[in-house]
Amino acid sequence: EVQLVQSGAEVKKPGESLKISCMGSGYNFDTYWIAWVRQVPGKGLESVGIIFAGDSDTKYSPSFQGQVTMSVDKSLNSAYLQWRSLKASDTAMYYCARQSSRGFDPWGQGTLVTVSS
Amino acid sequence: QSVLTQPPSASGTPRQRVSISCSGSSSNIGSYNVIWYQQLPGTAPKLLIYGNDKRASGVPDRFSGSKSGTSASLAISGLQSDDEAVYYCASWDDRLNGLVVFGGGTKLTVL
Repeated sequence: EVQLVQSGAEVKKPGESLKISCMGSGYNFDTYWIAWVRQVPGKGLESVGIIFAGDSDTKYSPSFQGQVTMSVDKSLNSAYLQWRSLKASDTAMYYCARQSSRGFDPWGQGTLVTVSS
Repeated sequence: QSVLTQPPSASGTPRQRVSISCSGSSSNIGSYNVIWYQQLPGTAPKLLIYGNDKRASGVPDRFSGSKSGTSASLAISGLQSDDEAVYYCASWDDRLNGLVVFGGGTKLTVL
């Protein structure tokens, strides 16, 4: 079964750093793009960016360029999303998903990031 | 403000047919396939329709998608209570570095 499993919920203070993870299984991890999607509580979906697991090629949405960093560790079948200095406005659910020509499928279960002083 | 435009809400009674629209432009829906996702309360989105009109694995044939020009539509026939969810349309967009753009989501209520 193709599956993406994300790391657990995080509570952080403004200015702190954070790295969340997304581990793939059941498929050839390094032949697919991994997408990150943000969902602010009660709101819709926004593309953060995508990373190709084979060579770490990245494409960031302009809204997130410079605000987050995507990375991959092929040896661990894992993708990561990190922040150097969190802001309250980063509070959201973050999903990873495997991207193909069919779209995003499957999705991880989501990681809730709460930033509050 | 989402790139793709969907009505914020839709509703229907059991066994009824409902339709959800999604409007875009030449840089997204006009050039690329449309995808539909279903997000049940408290869960991650799930792929419903890809390639404009193809049902994902396990999706009942009560769900159908269509596309014409820069607009698309999701139809659900034989409405059931567990269809109550938020539905998102999505497509790739040349103006977003080839990334996927989403509609704002349509909350479907089964009365």
